[in-house]
Amino acid sequence: AQSVTQPDIHITVSEGASLELRCNYSYGATPYLFWYVQSPGQGLQLLLKYFSGDTLVQGIKGFEAEFKRSQSSFNLRKPSVHWSDAAEYFCAVGALETGNQFYFGTGTSLTVIP
Amino acid sequence: KAGVTQTPRYLIKTRGQQVTLSCSPISGHRSVSWYQQTPGQGLQFLFEYFSETQRNKGNFPGRFSGRQFSNSRSEMNVSTLELGDSALYLCASSSGQLNQPQHFGDGTRLSIL
Repeated sequence: AQSVTQPDIHITVSEGASLELRCNYSYGATPYLFWYVQSPGQGLQLLLKYFSGDTLVQGIKGFEAEFKRSQSSFNLRKPSVHWSDAAEYFCAVGALETGNQFYFGTGTSLTVIP
Repeated sequence: KAGVTQTPRYLIKTRGQQVTLSCSPISGHRSVSWYQQTPGQGLQFLFEYFSETQRNKGNFPGRFSGRQFSNSRSEMNVSTLELGDSALYLCASSSGQLNQPQHFGDGTRLSIL
């Protein structure tokens, strides 16, 4: 079965510092990978997606993610964090074999300190 | 164009009652998926509807059901509510093509007393 692991439940970074949120998935074939962000009281907003091709993908709000097949990872990065980036971040995976069913990690809560 | 709209935003019910939640997808989207979000559990997939047919189903009891109308709007129904059903219920729509991302509504917060 597909699974998505976000090892870090909570991360705290200083404003202006770099950020990396980890995501590992369990699946044999090429997955479709997504990162979403959720602010309190709101739904999930798509940050970026990977289907194929260049393994480094750029998203909105200055985020990027790198797909590493050998490590089954799709980590999210940002060079300089802003206070407004404080939110919950979810990694999700889908695949041809599972149709339109996506699997989500349990999320990483990001706190940004001034 | 307008995003995914979920109504109501908040709902309070008591044990044993039933509830119906509504989701209007982005115009042109034919797939609607429902998720239950609770603290510590993340998003749990309930089911997906595509062109009025349930295409995928998660591991939830039969008390949870849904349907989709010809205009792609979807409803989710939960019968015989339990305290553990308290959660944020999220609806997501997409074109239904396999590699297209889902777009989420702001959710319905259901509280069971």
